[in-house]
Amino acid sequence: SQQGEEDPQALSIQEGENATMNCSYKTSINNLQWYRQNSGRGLVHLILIRSNEREKHSGRLRVTLDTSKKSSSLLITASRAADTASYFCASRGSSARQLTFGSGTQLTVLP
Amino acid sequence: DAEITQSPRHKITETGRQVTLACHQTWNHNNMFWYRQDLGHGLRLIHYSYGVQDTNKGEVSDGYSVSRSNTEDLPLTLESAASSQTSVYFCASSESNTYRTEAFFGQGTRLTVV
Repeated sequence: SQQGEEDPQALSIQEGENATMNCSYKTSINNLQWYRQNSGRGLVHLILIRSNEREKHSGRLRVTLDTSKKSSSLLITASRAADTASYFCASRGSSARQLTFGSGTQLTVLP
Repeated sequence: DAEITQSPRHKITETGRQVTLACHQTWNHNNMFWYRQDLGHGLRLIHYSYGVQDTNKGEVSDGYSVSRSNTEDLPLTLESAASSQTSVYFCASSESNTYRTEAFFGQGTRLTVV
């Protein structure tokens, strides 16, 4: 089973609104990453947050990490139709190099 | 520009046949991974390699094998294809550096076993 679980599984919002996706994981981590996948394409790395960080920003993206709750959230501000995609969290364990992915959130931004 | 490429992009094969999916990266990354993506399961790790001659089993390795004879390539072989292996397969690579662990993904191979 996937270590990371995300909610919601699907999210539909209007252009200009903010989108928040949540991720939970089960074991201790070195870092947590978020990826985006457009339909029929490979995954693209968005942002990485290390286990000793609590918040990170990159453009319209804001990621938070709560290691005590083993959870993370991705906020996309002022969403655009082009943000429509699936978003996955991926955790890297403390002693591993591979990533464990969540099941993803399908985001639809309506124009 | 460095990249990671998978081939073929689409493949239809018959049950019981041996199939090999290719993955080639020009990032010079030591770490390479194979994942499968199925609806409702996200991405699940099949096999991974930390360097030449190194291979390791992932979460769903039964029926699959890999070999790593050079840095650039990690082919994935389905020994005897089964309908349950119908899926989209993604190859990825990453640096060994602890602080640069983001993965770069190929475009995927859609495999159908009939």
